[in-house]
Amino acid sequence: DGGITQSPKYLFRKEGQNVTLSCEQNLNHDAMYWYRQDPGQGLRLIYYSQIVNDFQKGDIAEGYSVSREKKESFPLTVTSAQKNPTAFYLCASSVTGTAYGYTFGSGTRLTVV
Amino acid sequence: GNSVTQMEGPVTLSEEAFLTINCTYTATGYPSLFWYVQYPGEGLQLLLKATKADDKGSNKGFEATYRKETTSFHLEKGSVQVSDSAVYFCALGEIQGAQKLVFGQGTRLTINP
Repeated sequence: DGGITQSPKYLFRKEGQNVTLSCEQNLNHDAMYWYRQDPGQGLRLIYYSQIVNDFQKGDIAEGYSVSREKKESFPLTVTSAQKNPTAFYLCASSVTGTAYGYTFGSGTRLTVV
Repeated sequence: GNSVTQMEGPVTLSEEAFLTINCTYTATGYPSLFWYVQYPGEGLQLLLKATKADDKGSNKGFEATYRKETTSFHLEKGSVQVSDSAVYFCALGEIQGAQKLVFGQGTRLTINP
């Protein structure tokens, strides 16, 4: 079945360490997105990519980095520069064009201790 | 810029009650509109969508009508069940620029037996 796979589901890291969250899709979607969700809050866009080897900053890109070397993959690195990294991270993908909406992964909960 | 405003939660209802969650939007042009649902610890799932004015999206007993004159896309269900307890997000698809989805802040719904 086609879908988006995020791994791991839970991730614990020590303060000051970089950590990479995986996002893989087999839907043949061109566009991919990373969102951050904090308790009781909506979704905030971190980065997005509409084609391979190209990506743009979203609303809260500081302290994060991404790459898009393959159409299927869009990993997110949470760097030590991110001041408050503990959150629920959601990856999504879409066909180009806004009539279709997004398909979301099941999320990664990152806890920094 | 484009924005989505949702009814503030949390909303608590008894089983079989009628549900309305309000959503209004600000946008240039004619965006697509969506409702997503998020169950605890999971990603978002597309519930329904409408791509032009007066369209009605429907799924699993939920309905929403794209009202251009009132810039609204209210979610309704005639008889809710305990299993409908979740967080609901309204979203619009930007037409201009990068064609991202813009999400409301989410409304937490709890249904009591």
